[in-house]
Amino acid sequence: AQTVTQSQPEMSVQEAETVTLSCTYDTSESDYYLFWYKQPPSRQMILVIRQEAYKQQNATENRFSVNFQKAAKSFSLKISDSQLGDAAMYFCAYFTGTASKLTFGTGTRLQVTL
Amino acid sequence: DVKVTQSSRYLVKRTGEKVFLECVQDMDHENMFWYRQDPGLGLRLIYFSYDVKMKEKGDIPEGYSVSREKKERFSLILESASTNQTSMYLCASSLGVAEQYFGPGTRLTVT
Repeated sequence: AQTVTQSQPEMSVQEAETVTLSCTYDTSESDYYLFWYKQPPSRQMILVIRQEAYKQQNATENRFSVNFQKAAKSFSLKISDSQLGDAAMYFCAYFTGTASKLTFGTGTRLQVTL
Repeated sequence: DVKVTQSSRYLVKRTGEKVFLECVQDMDHENMFWYRQDPGLGLRLIYFSYDVKMKEKGDIPEGYSVSREKKERFSLILESASTNQTSMYLCASSLGVAEQYFGPGTRLTVT
């Protein structure tokens, strides 16, 4: 069974600094998708970034980028120039067509301080 | 923009009551999902549906059932609510392998 592990329950970063959230996953599949979702306090969960396993290039969305290491089964999220609005719960998720469902990690709560 | 709405943000029910949580999406997505979210456990899939009248069990279906009579609506049913079903319930929809769009969640308390 696929599992997704987020080993950092909480992280803190100062405004304008860079922070990296870690995620590892376990799979025997070769074709899959990885996602980072953001859940702000009392607000809806939204997609931050997506990575297809067959793509070697790391995905980037503005201040958000990933470090995808397929052999190591690692998928970390880097947030540059952190802003107060980045404070949220971040979930790493894995999808494969075989299971046809998302498997989520347990989440990392990110605090942004002044 | 995709909009996924859930019938209630907060709900308080008594043990043994039958509870209906409704979810509606407005983007003609085939796929709809129900999750529960608990601290330290992340999101766990309860049921999902790939088409009208079709349903598949997720990772934790026990104590729940679902109904999908129309494409845009996916209901989660707790036949006899219990205190261990106190949780945040999230609905989501998606088109194919594309990302899932989530509703605002329903925080259910069973007393």
